[in-house]
Amino acid sequence: GQNIDQPTEMTATEGAIVQINCTYQTSGFNGLFWYQQHAGEAPTFLSYNVLDGLEEKGRFSSFLSRSKGYSYLLLKELQMKDSASYLCAVPDSNYQLIWGAGTKLIIKP
Amino acid sequence: SAVISQKPSRDICQRGTSLTIQCQVDSQVTMMFWYRQQPGQSLTLIATANQGSEATYESGFVIDKFPISRPNLTFSTLTVSNMSPEDSSIYLCSAEGNFGPGTRLLVL
Repeated sequence: GQNIDQPTEMTATEGAIVQINCTYQTSGFNGLFWYQQHAGEAPTFLSYNVLDGLEEKGRFSSFLSRSKGYSYLLLKELQMKDSASYLCAVPDSNYQLIWGAGTKLIIKP
Repeated sequence: SAVISQKPSRDICQRGTSLTIQCQVDSQVTMMFWYRQQPGQSLTLIATANQGSEATYESGFVIDKFPISRPNLTFSTLTVSNMSPEDSSIYLCSAEGNFGPGTRLLVL
């Protein structure tokens, strides 16, 4: 079967760094997505990793280890607007996305 | 990447009525996906819509309740039929990893 695990909720301080982890078990591997979703809004694409390693995109970076079935999203210089849910998703063999439950990130001043 | 629009953006409907949600993509895409997200919950895939064939529904969703059209490679509709308050949710269209802005539905 396929399964994605990520923490339910995390709290961090404005200006700090936070790492949101995601572990997955899939029958194949077609990459891993990270999305940001503010309350009441649609998810927005953050990153897509298909090769091992760290990909940096401004304040946000995403890391993938295929051998460990593990990814993380790293958010630097946190801002209040980063308070949102962060969703990890992997495509199944039919390229349909399997979604994690999401990590609610709370940023405190 | 595909830019996706949906309409209506929100609606308030009476129990027993039906609502059709439209999804427009700015480029041709093979697969379009319809999701539902209830308050505080993660995304739930309703069905996958491919042009020229019947939609493929996920467990717990049936065509009579959620009929889908896919007349061409840039457009799809999802109808929520015979609505009940339990259908109150955000309905999202997706293609190529991107999402439309969602349709917020409240059923009274």
